[in-house]
Amino acid sequence: GAGVSQSPSNKVTEKGKDVELRCDPISGHTALYWYRQSLGQGLEFLIYFQGNSAPDKSGLPSDRFSAERTGGSVSTLTIQRTQQEDSAVYLCASSISLRGANVLTFGAGSRLTVL
Amino acid sequence: AQSVTQLGSHVSVSEGALVLLRCNYSSSVPPYLFWYVQYPNQGLQLLLKYTSAATLVKGINGFEAEFKKSETSFHLTKPSAHMSDAAEYFCAVSDEGTGGFKTIFGAGTRLFVKA
Repeated sequence: GAGVSQSPSNKVTEKGKDVELRCDPISGHTALYWYRQSLGQGLEFLIYFQGNSAPDKSGLPSDRFSAERTGGSVSTLTIQRTQQEDSAVYLCASSISLRGANVLTFGAGSRLTVL
Repeated sequence: AQSVTQLGSHVSVSEGALVLLRCNYSSSVPPYLFWYVQYPNQGLQLLLKYTSAATLVKGINGFEAEFKKSETSFHLTKPSAHMSDAAEYFCAVSDEGTGGFKTIFGAGTRLFVKA
């Protein structure tokens, strides 16, 4: 597509429920990234993909968080048994590859509120 | 691992005044450095990037940044602030990890412009 698309744009859930956040990157971008932006915080790196492979999962906060990417395109970030501290904006970005000088193109984000 | 530190979570300037947003990096190798901007209710977008071609980098909307190796700094400046510059600004560095590079962001600086 023309840009990075994320859905849902807003999600309100109850504590303990599972949520799935979706990211559709720019067509042809092989690298895909997930970040979390909490109120008053910077962007916290979660995970990145090169193709369907995730070389670095070190940023995932706990084993309740997981992500997958299929067909080298769409990615899903899943949060199981959500907690109130998971409330944040989850940002997805894509780039041509995982080279250092590459620019990230961001989606508008998915705002998650856990009650 | 590379990292960036942004000095000042909030900066306030008058319209027409100089804008200076500070960023220091830690890197054991020549870094790739970026400034991204997040306007209200919009996604992050690239302002400018440094990839060692020139120490003074010009970006969009009249912004520029100078790479100073001796000071490990990459401060963002604009000679004359405009009301439309009000936004959150993020300094970022590419960090080589497992399988490729990930972009690490600072905590952000929110710029307020007073009429």
